[in-house]
Amino acid sequence: GAGVSQTPSNKVTEKGKYVELRCDPISGHTALYWYRQSLGQGPEFLIYFQGTGAADDSGLPNDRFFAVRPEGSVSTLKIQRTERGDSAVYLCASSLNSRYEQYFGPGTRLTVT
Amino acid sequence: QKEVEQDPGPLSVPEGAIVSLNCTYSNSAFQYFMWYRQYSRKGPELLMYTYSSGNKEDGRFTAQVDKSSKYISLFIRDSQPSDSATYLCAMSAITNAGKSTFGDGTTLTVKP
Repeated sequence: GAGVSQTPSNKVTEKGKYVELRCDPISGHTALYWYRQSLGQGPEFLIYFQGTGAADDSGLPNDRFFAVRPEGSVSTLKIQRTERGDSAVYLCASSLNSRYEQYFGPGTRLTVT
Repeated sequence: QKEVEQDPGPLSVPEGAIVSLNCTYSNSAFQYFMWYRQYSRKGPELLMYTYSSGNKEDGRFTAQVDKSSKYISLFIRDSQPSDSATYLCAMSAITNAGKSTFGDGTTLTVKP
């Protein structure tokens, strides 16, 4: 079946702009996760959803970052007033529920100029 | 100090060799342990998923967890050039299984 998909695959934006990153999880997966990966580092947890609600958002770095999952399927990660330090690959994953294996998408490479 | 430490390598081995990859961790609450493989410019791919201590084998891959030493390992037998990738360990606590903490990865090259 189809895996986790993320759009866009690449996003270049100017400092100060607003961006939205989209994640389509595997059908039937109730848990959805966002991570951020900088060059040479492992993925860094941002937030995860169980259904429509954020079960843990402790990894969001500041209030410029926000994520939603209004219908319990597709999720959008929103970043306001982007900074150059936000440049990274943003990874999305999904799982049957939070105690099951996470399956990752290919990521969105965000570059803030 | 990071909660999960992983030797970044790089590690280079000849084809057919046995590869040993390791992680140490400091949080005794971690109960779920995962190994991922990540090719360049791709998302991580789950290889092994284990709960608590012990060994788990899947084909050429064996995962070991030693909770008393806070040490986990991944062994790859009969390594192939296609195994060349970055290997990431990850772990989570039973009380918050959705929040995985990753190591920074070990880069492996298997030479034909």
